[in-house]
Amino acid sequence: DADVTQTPRNRITKTGKRIMLECSQTKGHDRMYWYRQDPGLGLRLIYYSFDVKDINKGEISDGYSVSRQAQAKFSLSLESAIPNQTALYFCATSEADRVGQFFGPGTRLTVL
Amino acid sequence: LAKTTQPISMDSYEGQEVNITCSHNNIATNDYITWYQQFPSQGPRFIIQGYKTKVTNEVASLFIPADRKSSTLSLPRVSLSDTAVYYCLVATLKAAGNKLTFGGGTRVLVKP
Repeated sequence: DADVTQTPRNRITKTGKRIMLECSQTKGHDRMYWYRQDPGLGLRLIYYSFDVKDINKGEISDGYSVSRQAQAKFSLSLESAIPNQTALYFCATSEADRVGQFFGPGTRLTVL
Repeated sequence: LAKTTQPISMDSYEGQEVNITCSHNNIATNDYITWYQQFPSQGPRFIIQGYKTKVTNEVASLFIPADRKSSTLSLPRVSLSDTAVYYCLVATLKAAGNKLTFGGGTRVLVKP
């Protein structure tokens, strides 16, 4: 089984809809991250969490929110999706005090 | 934040050594340097991490000069399957926040 899983893997939605992307990990890592990647570009950090009680904004948090339900689960929500949020979204985890991250397979989100 | 600069693309041939240099002029004292490999529609995969001098593992070597303002990822004897995008990441391990800045990535094409 994969160490970091993301659901759904693909999603097509309409402008204004609320969308939740879920991430689960079995690595036992405290730190979890959400990134988005646009075609041909690198990854930009949306939110990150050091532990269940810690949530921090990344570079591009506007229009997004997160929830850290447990050590193993970190969800990303788009309260009212817009077309420029169409992207590939990745969840990642890492051990405390290390920056080597383990990435999930990604969720391809299309907002029409 | 430590911004990074990498070449946009590089071509190589099977069996050759590929060296990718990342510039990070404003790297902070506590920053580590991490390299990732990404295939299309997949999450990045951790390759190697270092702080100074040289680090080697089973897939790559990482060279960091004394001033740490750049780093070079070396892939020995590449194969077609090494065709991917390679990202240099410079991270700040401050307790106040983990600002993770991915570079634009280097697209490596290995030719037969």
